[in-house]
Amino acid sequence: NAGVMQNPRHLVRRRGQEARLRCSPMKGHSHVYWYRQLPEEGLKFMVYLQKENIIDESGMPKERFSAEFPKEGPSILRIQQVVRGDSAAYFCASSPRVSNSYNEQFFGPGTRLTVL
Amino acid sequence: AQSVTQLGSHVSVSEGALVLLRCNYSSSVPPYLFWYVQYPNQGLQLLLKYTSAATLVKGINGFEAEFKKSETSFHLTKPSAHMSDAAEYFCAVTSNNDMRFGAGTRLTVKP
Repeated sequence: NAGVMQNPRHLVRRRGQEARLRCSPMKGHSHVYWYRQLPEEGLKFMVYLQKENIIDESGMPKERFSAEFPKEGPSILRIQQVVRGDSAAYFCASSPRVSNSYNEQFFGPGTRLTVL
Repeated sequence: AQSVTQLGSHVSVSEGALVLLRCNYSSSVPPYLFWYVQYPNQGLQLLLKYTSAATLVKGINGFEAEFKKSETSFHLTKPSAHMSDAAEYFCAVTSNNDMRFGAGTRLTVKP
């Protein structure tokens, strides 16, 4: 019973390139969340998605960042024209749908993005 | 809007001493509260959670936390620290869909 999977675990990009981070939720989970962790800081919520829908993107930067969770395949966090300030650890979490209750989130191991 | 505040970005204790990591929350609705632990270069692992059942919650690795509504607190404790407890600890709050994390407390355990 695999947990949340993220790949790649480490990603190096030069300024101006694109970064694509992938997240495969746990089996049976239909909700995906993306968080960013900057050095010496806590996790910051970025976006919450269900299959084919963005539910809450209040934490996403307005430019260069986008996320999707297609009907088939993993969720993708895409960062265009990366800058050094995008260097961080990006964590994905997934949860099952539990009505009228909290959605416990299970975290992946993260992708560490380094922008040169 | 919900939020949590973790008091103390760094806590250092001796092996065998009491561990106390502080977390205060703010929520306009009854909250669900969590403590996660993060070891170096790893993801977050759930330690324990409060979901409005018992106010004293026991978690893994000997940790426990008590929900105190009057103090809006959810402090994490462990009676006797072990070297393997050295890690970053995050408090989090959610009411339904999104989760808000504190800035984290780095626990150091001295031999």
